[in-house]
Amino acid sequence: DTGVSQNPRHKITKRGQNVTFRCDPISEHNRLYWYRQTLGQGPEFLTYFQNEAQLEKSRLLSDRFSAERPKGSFSTLEIQRTEQGDSAMYLCASSSSDSEAFFGQGTRLTVV
Amino acid sequence: GQNIDQPTEMTATEGAIVQINCTYQTSGFNGLFWYQQHAGEAPTFLSYNVLDGLEEKGRFSSFLSRSKGYSYLLLKELQMKDSASYLCAVRDQAGGSYIPTFGRGTSLIVHP
Repeated sequence: DTGVSQNPRHKITKRGQNVTFRCDPISEHNRLYWYRQTLGQGPEFLTYFQNEAQLEKSRLLSDRFSAERPKGSFSTLEIQRTEQGDSAMYLCASSSSDSEAFFGQGTRLTVV
Repeated sequence: GQNIDQPTEMTATEGAIVQINCTYQTSGFNGLFWYQQHAGEAPTFLSYNVLDGLEEKGRFSSFLSRSKGYSYLLLKELQMKDSASYLCAVRDQAGGSYIPTFGRGTSLIVHP
C-alpha cells in the first residue's frame, strides 16, 4: 500500500457541470475525511466516514455536495452544478482509530 | 467546535531555531497534531501530542499544555527545505466523532 490515492489530480470544468472525485484510503484505515483547501488557508473539514457510515458533515457543505463510501473502502465526492467558488484543492485523508491522519495528494478543481 | 490560532507568517535564518505557537479552544480535546505542507503538496504528519509535555523527534519538537490550550512546534538547525506552511490541528471527540480541525497555517520562510 503506497498511501492515500486521489484521482484525478487536476480537474478543470465549466460552471454548472457536475464533477466527481475519488479517494482510495490506506487499506486498513476505517476513518476517512474530506477537506477543502484554498490558497493561504488551512484544510477546511467537509465530511467524515467511519467505515461506510457518514457520521459528520460540515454545516458549510451545501446540498450540491455529496459523498459516499459504499463498501467502507474507497470514497467519492460529487459536486453538482459547480460554481466558481468551488475552485479549491480537495484533500482526502484516512486514519485508523487513534492514529494521525494521512493525506492524499489532493484533487485541484478549477471552475471556469 | 474549535478556535485555532497561529501566526500567519514567520521568517528565520538558516541554522537558527524557530518556535511556532498555536492556541486553541475546544470542548472535547483528543489530541493535537502538527503537519508540514510545502506549496502545492499534501500535508505531511510531523508530531502528535495528547498529554502535557514535550515530544522530541529529531530536529523537530512539539509541546502541549492542555490547561492553557497551547502548543508550540520547535524547529532546530533550520534548513532551507524547512520553508513551508506548518499546520496545527486539534482533534475533538465531541459527538463521538474524532475529527481533526486545522488552523490556517503558519508560513515559515527560511533565508540564508
